[in-house]
Amino acid sequence: DIQMTQSPSSLSASVGDRVTITCRASQSISTYLHWYQQKSGRAPKLLIYAASSLQSGVPSRFSGGGSGTDFTLTISSLQPEDFASYYCLQTYSFPLTFGPGTRVDFK
Amino acid sequence: QLQLQQSGPGLVKPSQTLSLTCAISGDSVSSASAAWNWIRQSPSRGLEWLGRTYYDSKWNTDYAVTVKSRITINADTSKNQFSLHLNSVSPEDSGVYYCARTTKSQIDFWGQGTLVTVSS
Repeated sequence: DIQMTQSPSSLSASVGDRVTITCRASQSISTYLHWYQQKSGRAPKLLIYAASSLQSGVPSRFSGGGSGTDFTLTISSLQPEDFASYYCLQTYSFPLTFGPGTRVDFK
Repeated sequence: QLQLQQSGPGLVKPSQTLSLTCAISGDSVSSASAAWNWIRQSPSRGLEWLGRTYYDSKWNTDYAVTVKSRITINADTSKNQFSLHLNSVSPEDSGVYYCARTTKSQIDFWGQGTLVTVSS
């Protein structure tokens, strides 16, 4: 199985901050990497697919990058509604595997 | 607009079968461009993909090895829905269960989630 790690596991930030979350795969997954936002009690929501493509309806302050084993999710200017948990998912091979998540909360 | 409406019991006894259904509106369970997944989430396991079904001239399934001996995912085209059956459950199977759609390579839409507790 492909193992996914994320760093940091949590971070504290302020509105307007630039935030970057990293996801690493245990082997190359090309760009079969996707990012999700999850708010408490809600289902995950797709933000970025194929490493760097913005899902329809998602604000442009979200961006993704990387390929192979190392990927990033960046929020250019954190907004109040962005305080949530973020997960990466690899769909390069089965079983599909998720990262453990990064929680973004108020500083 | 795609909607995935989950239904099923929130409490299951140990050793029994957990069964959940995901009713689809806005897409077809037989779509050639989609796959239909079950995923669960718990504090101890995080987000865990359990399996999927999809139609490609015939019905196909893929399952996670961790549950492969206990899981069945099947589709009901007459009701445009798909179901999860997980047998011989234990308290470790407690968590929030989600159905979700894959299109192209990404999981792009999720059901609302069902909290399932395994307890006597």
